[in-house]
Amino acid sequence: NAGVMQNPRHLVRRRGQEARLRCSPMKGHSHVYWYRQLPEEGLKFMVYLQKENIIDESGMPKERFSAEFPKEGPSILRIQQVVRGDSAAYFCASSRGEEQYFGPGTRLTVT
Amino acid sequence: GQQLNQSPQSMFIQEGEDVSMNCTSSSIFNTWLWYKQDPGEGPVLLIALYKAGELTSNGRLTAQFGITRKDSFLNISASIPSDVGIYFCAGLYSGAGSYQLTFGKGTKLSVIP
Repeated sequence: NAGVMQNPRHLVRRRGQEARLRCSPMKGHSHVYWYRQLPEEGLKFMVYLQKENIIDESGMPKERFSAEFPKEGPSILRIQQVVRGDSAAYFCASSRGEEQYFGPGTRLTVT
Repeated sequence: GQQLNQSPQSMFIQEGEDVSMNCTSSSIFNTWLWYKQDPGEGPVLLIALYKAGELTSNGRLTAQFGITRKDSFLNISASIPSDVGIYFCAGLYSGAGSYQLTFGKGTKLSVIP
């Protein structure tokens, strides 16, 4: 019974490039969440999605960031025109109810 | 927005000692979750609490959901070296259809053999 899967685990991008982070939820889970973690900090909520719907994007920056969870395939967090301040660990979680289970994260480094 | 104060920020303890950490909030939550994160990994769910006053155990871990719904604590008994890591509390208020978790800043636990 595979857990939440994220890829890539590490991603290096130059300023101005695009970053695409992928997340496959646990089997049977239809809710996906994205969180961002800076060093020495807790996780900060970004967006909550169900299949083909964004339910809550109150934590998402208004520009350059977007997320989707299509009918088929993984959820994608997309960051356009990355800047140094986007460097962080991005975690995806999935759930059926209130317990959220996290993936191993994608560590994005912007050079 | 909701904020969680987690304390202590870090702890150094001897192997075999008991550990206690807690979280307080300025607003109420419906659910409290406790996670452990190892370096380079994602948080792993340890305990979930759903009712005010609830006391739940998972092996050497015990957690409680405060009566006021604004606080929770986690105890670890008889610590061992593999307990090393960062422990996070997280609160969930599922009103208005949102299920976003609010995290504390973590308690970094070091166990001295």
